[in-house]
Amino acid sequence: ETGVTQTPRHLVMGMTNKKSLKCEQHLGHNAMYWYKQSAKKPLELMFVYNFKEQTENNSVPSRFSPECPNSSHLFLHLHTLQPEDSALYLCASSIQTWANYGYTFGSGTRLTVV
Amino acid sequence: SQQGEEDPQALSIQEGENATMNCSYKTSINNLQWYRQNSGRGLVHLILIRSNEREKHSGRLRVTLDTSKKSSSLLITASRAADTASYFCATDASGRETSGSRLTFGEGTQLTVNP
Repeated sequence: ETGVTQTPRHLVMGMTNKKSLKCEQHLGHNAMYWYKQSAKKPLELMFVYNFKEQTENNSVPSRFSPECPNSSHLFLHLHTLQPEDSALYLCASSIQTWANYGYTFGSGTRLTVV
Repeated sequence: SQQGEEDPQALSIQEGENATMNCSYKTSINNLQWYRQNSGRGLVHLILIRSNEREKHSGRLRVTLDTSKKSSSLLITASRAADTASYFCATDASGRETSGSRLTFGEGTQLTVNP
């Protein structure tokens, strides 16, 4: 285990469903991130939170809604997704948003939209 | 545009051989990092090299950085079957002009080490 826990590991949802992905870290990190990893594409940064405040939204469609209630927890709320949103969603954390020490990643949630 | 681009896209070697992967990038960076990803899992941080460093070692890993050529290489010596994974370079270009985080990943090199 890396210290960053993502649940669920796998999720299958219909296009009209609403679901949430959860990420939790107890590393004492202050920054948390959501990345999307699709086949044969580089990791895409979606959202960045630093000390619970969103500092970056990388032009992500509104059907993805992040929430960061505290520095240890990060959620990604999903609604009315499209099949092309099927991907591996990775959560990461770092000491702060200046990436001087590297990121710690969770194992990811494999999302399939049907 | 994509910041880090790895080369080759795929590499297959025999156990015991050395594996070299390259990464090129486009903009000025604070540091460059290498990560490993086993199939369908999260990324694991391997090593970070700062822009003022030229070479760094960690166990069987050796990373070089040439800022004049905007390139880096990752060498894995005496490879093992367990080294089979995808390897990604990531560049940190965070600075005063940004909100902080700018860790940008390439597409990765798929390394297969055959027993």
